[in-house]
Amino acid sequence: DIQMTQSPSSLSASVGDRVTITCRASQGISSWLAWYQQKPEKAPKSLIYAASSLQSGVPSRFSGSGSGTDFTLTISSLQPEDFATYYCQQYDSYPLTFGGGTKVEIK
Amino acid sequence: EVQLVESGGGLVQPGGSLRLSCAASGFTFSDHYMDWVRQAPGKGLEWVGRTRNKANSHTTEYAASVKGRFIISRDDSKNSLYLQMNSLKTEDTAVYYCARVARGTHYYFDYWGQGTLVTVSS
Repeated sequence: DIQMTQSPSSLSASVGDRVTITCRASQGISSWLAWYQQKPEKAPKSLIYAASSLQSGVPSRFSGSGSGTDFTLTISSLQPEDFATYYCQQYDSYPLTFGGGTKVEIK
Repeated sequence: EVQLVESGGGLVQPGGSLRLSCAASGFTFSDHYMDWVRQAPGKGLEWVGRTRNKANSHTTEYAASVKGRFIISRDDSKNSLYLQMNSLKTEDTAVYYCARVARGTHYYFDYWGQGTLVTVSS
């Protein structure tokens, strides 16, 4: 199974800050990577697919990069509605696996 | 508008069975792969399994943790996805989400339902 490791597991940031979350795959997954946002008691929401493609309707302050084993999700200017937990997920091979999540909290 | 609405969750004893449903609307259901993903209380996301579309003969894939106990099926005539859960264990307690898999080259989850809670406890 491909292990997905996210870091940090949590972070505190202020509105307007630039935030970067890292996701590392235990083996190469090319660009078969997605990012999701989940707010408390809500379903996850798609943000990024193909490592760097923005899902329709997602604000341009979100961006993704990377390929192979190392990936990043960047929020260029954190907004109040961005405080949530973020997950990466590989869809290179079965079983599909998620990172452990990164909780973005208000500083 | 794409909508996925899960139902069927509840309290069940260990060793028992439960069937979840996911009603889909707003898109051509038969064209899409559909998955189940679960989330234990306070934990992260765990993929449960997949059913492919009609063009791929509705074949299925499962996580090792549920293989042999859970069965994913679909009824394209009813735009519905199902998860039959047998031999339930306390560790199956979770919110279960159905998720639509995007079409094209990248098989990520582009839409999610709101989830239904399954509690396995005596």
